[in-house]
Amino acid sequence: DTGVSQDPRHKITKRGQNVTFRCDPISEHNRLYWYRQTLGQGPEFLTYFQNEAQLEKSRLLSDRFSAERPKGSFSTLEIQRTEQGDSAMYLCASSFTRLAGHNEQFFGPGTRLTVL
Amino acid sequence: DAKTTQPNSMESNEEEPVHLPCNHSTISGTDYIHWYRQLPSQGPEYVIHGLTSNVNNRMASLAIAEDRKSSTLILHRATLRDAAVYYCIPKAAGNKLTFGGGTRVLVKP
Repeated sequence: DTGVSQDPRHKITKRGQNVTFRCDPISEHNRLYWYRQTLGQGPEFLTYFQNEAQLEKSRLLSDRFSAERPKGSFSTLEIQRTEQGDSAMYLCASSFTRLAGHNEQFFGPGTRLTVL
Repeated sequence: DAKTTQPNSMESNEEEPVHLPCNHSTISGTDYIHWYRQLPSQGPEYVIHGLTSNVNNRMASLAIAEDRKSSTLILHRATLRDAAVYYCIPKAAGNKLTFGGGTRVLVKP
């Protein structure tokens, strides 16, 4: 296992279509994060899971967005009825998080979404 | 989350040191100061972190002001591979990362 992987790396879709992205974290990492990054900006937090539980969701995550991590391993992020404003890089990160101390997050290469 | 202020960009010549400042005057007592960087077309990667004392690792050094309201990331000898956006992120253990605009570092050969 060499790191966090994301699939697909690129996705082009038409407005109104649904898309789903997958993230495979580093094995045994208990936390998985989703971020979104638009051109020229830093990544913005969307949501995170501890094992299979979704513990926090950003206000950025509208009801068209849903994320799952059913068995506490890989995660999917689905966007329904895509809009042009959803065009961005979607980044996944994982960490082995303890209650105290440093918890480095390891990022995947991202999925670039273009909505036409 | 503590608000951060970083210069938009900095330039350096290859093999010279780079000092990247960050102001985080609203940092709380339990926040660690993290630095991540993002190389072109890649996800961010961890660089270094610290709480109160200066820290060194193979990538960089982190100098933290005594009042913890500012810090400086030091790249001792910049290489072309260090060209990236560097983000300063104060955060408590286990919390999500809150990225600001970061500092874009340009390294000239």
